[in-house]
Amino acid sequence: EAGVTQFPSHSVIEKGQTVTLRCDPISGHDNLYWYRRVMGKEIKFLLHFVKESKQDESGMPNNRFLAERTGGTYSTLKVQPAELEDSGVYFCASSQHILAGGPNEQFFGPGTRLTVL
Amino acid sequence: GESVGLHLPTLSVQEGDNSIINCAYSNSASDYFIWYKQESGKGPQFIIDIRSNMDKRQGQRVTVLLNKTVKHLSLQIAATQPGDSAVYFCAEKSDSWGKLQFGAGTQVVVTP
Repeated sequence: EAGVTQFPSHSVIEKGQTVTLRCDPISGHDNLYWYRRVMGKEIKFLLHFVKESKQDESGMPNNRFLAERTGGTYSTLKVQPAELEDSGVYFCASSQHILAGGPNEQFFGPGTRLTVL
Repeated sequence: GESVGLHLPTLSVQEGDNSIINCAYSNSASDYFIWYKQESGKGPQFIIDIRSNMDKRQGQRVTVLLNKTVKHLSLQIAATQPGDSAVYFCAEKSDSWGKLQFGAGTQVVVTP
């Protein structure tokens, strides 16, 4: 079974440009999460989709970030316009179902390394 | 000067020795705690988890200890191997929807 995939693996753009990151979760996984790791710091939560609906977007830094998951399959995260502080590694993770009191194991993709110059 | 957060704590371990990685967590209401391993160029990979009502759980060569009194989590790796070199993150499942809150990470370097 294919794991979580992300595209591109690396992106280098100039400040003010737009970048769109893509995540394909494991087939059948309802839950899709975006996280990012900035400048070697801890990995921080950005948002969570349940199928096509945004369940929690409390971690989105500002309105320059827009995430979508049309049809409840793959997701995109667009940064427009990109700023220097957006540089980092963006991870996507997916999980199947959320059971009350269960661990909800999340499977992570390899990440997209974004560099804003 | 050095910027806070740019340099991960590093644990240097000789091959064959045991490793202990420590983590402090913040949310006493978290119900699951997880250890992830991240190798260069890859995403975090699940190692082991522990439910909040347990204080110890063992896996293959790994043991996780949970001390809720002081909000402390540790990962013990037995007979550390070169393939164990990676960044290790602790994470807590901080809400019922699975949102993870990660610690800063520890770089483990295994020397021959």
